[in-house]
Amino acid sequence: TQLLEQSPQFLSIQEGENLTVYCNSSSVFSSLQWYRQEPGEGPVLLVTVVTGGEVKKLKRLTFQFGDARKDSSLHITAAQPGDTGLYLCAGVYGNKLVFGAGTILRVKS
Amino acid sequence: GAVVSQHPSWVICKSGTSVKIECRSLDFQATTMFWYRQFPKQSLMLMATSNEGSKATYEQGVEKDKFLINHASLTLSTLTVTSAHPEDSSFYICSAATSGRSWDTQYFGPGTRLTVL
Repeated sequence: TQLLEQSPQFLSIQEGENLTVYCNSSSVFSSLQWYRQEPGEGPVLLVTVVTGGEVKKLKRLTFQFGDARKDSSLHITAAQPGDTGLYLCAGVYGNKLVFGAGTILRVKS
Repeated sequence: GAVVSQHPSWVICKSGTSVKIECRSLDFQATTMFWYRQFPKQSLMLMATSNEGSKATYEQGVEKDKFLINHASLTLSTLTVTSAHPEDSSFYICSAATSGRSWDTQYFGPGTRLTVL
């Protein structure tokens, strides 16, 4: 059983469309992180959300942390082919960083 | 700043041989380094946590005698896959943290693709 459940697992959309990726848990996290990973490379940190209800924006990406700090979402506006990649949410649980299963995003031009 | 490198970036070896992967923090001292394994289109799974100068802590199900981890200095950790088999083929990623409690501030390396024939 995954501590962090991500959905959807796979998303294929056309350039210009909007999308939302969800990260849910039954556990409370002090913070959650979102990473983007391209094939053959390590994950790159996009954002860390710390406060319940927090919303952070990074250009066309909007990240939200749930009020109860059990879930988070990533919304991409007007997706571009360059957004293609594996999106991972992660949170500290005990003494380690645990990752969700990931969402593979493919944006077609 | 906070750059982590891995060497090699990819390696192909024969079944039964051993392979060493290096993880270096280039511009900071890493008290703690982590080793992850990632299978195609899957997430990162933590294999072990290593602190400089002490034995690594392995996750459940990870064979410590097969995956030897050495963290000899504050800038270098190595993972040796001993007697590699095709099922060990995977993408191995290391990360580094500046303190033992900075689990949410990890700097990831670019990964090493291991293929065992």
